[in-house]
Amino acid sequence: RKEVEQDPGPFNVPEGATVAFNCTYSNSASQSFFWYRQDCRKEPKLLMSVYSSGNEDGRFTAQLNRASQYISLLIRDSKLSDSATYLCVVNSGSARQLTFGSGTQLTVLP
Amino acid sequence: GAVVSQHPSWVICKSGTSVKIECRSLDFQATTMFWYRQFPKQSLMLMATSNEGSKATYEQGVEKDKFLINHASLTLSTLTVTSAHPEDSSFYICSANGLAGDTSYNEQFFGPGTRLTVL
Repeated sequence: RKEVEQDPGPFNVPEGATVAFNCTYSNSASQSFFWYRQDCRKEPKLLMSVYSSGNEDGRFTAQLNRASQYISLLIRDSKLSDSATYLCVVNSGSARQLTFGSGTQLTVLP
Repeated sequence: GAVVSQHPSWVICKSGTSVKIECRSLDFQATTMFWYRQFPKQSLMLMATSNEGSKATYEQGVEKDKFLINHASLTLSTLTVTSAHPEDSSFYICSANGLAGDTSYNEQFFGPGTRLTVL
């Protein structure tokens, strides 16, 4: 079983749609959780950290359920510029190492 | 935020040659640097973790004699792919965290990546 699993997609949605991505992790000792965004042929960029209480940043909402070892990302009012691959990332505390999911590809259509 | 640069951004080489990739932290001291590899349509896979002044810790399955990592200063780490072969063609990305004055960066800042193609 992969340490971090994501729905691979691809997700093709119209502009203005709401889309949700899910992620599960296997290491119950994991301490920090993130969503990164990666554009084609570019490096990943931090989108947001994920906290147990849930957190929101504009159109983006992230949720963490430690009991289920489940992380989600909700994007409201999708924009064309949201098209990218979204990576679920977990830090298991060892030497600040990050474990990346394989990513979910999103394409927002005009 | 902190900035990490990589050089070169892309390289094409013949099979059997060695390629050196540089990763620099521009405005902070990178106490820890990480090297990743990403094959097409796959996720980033951690290759090794290096702390300044000490030997790198390699992930299982990564050959330390093939992928030489040097982290001799707080602003520079290098990855040398020795005797590169076509199967080493990939996107190599470094990241770093560390210190800028009194600020400790736990977040990893990523370099823009180096695309290696071995013919």
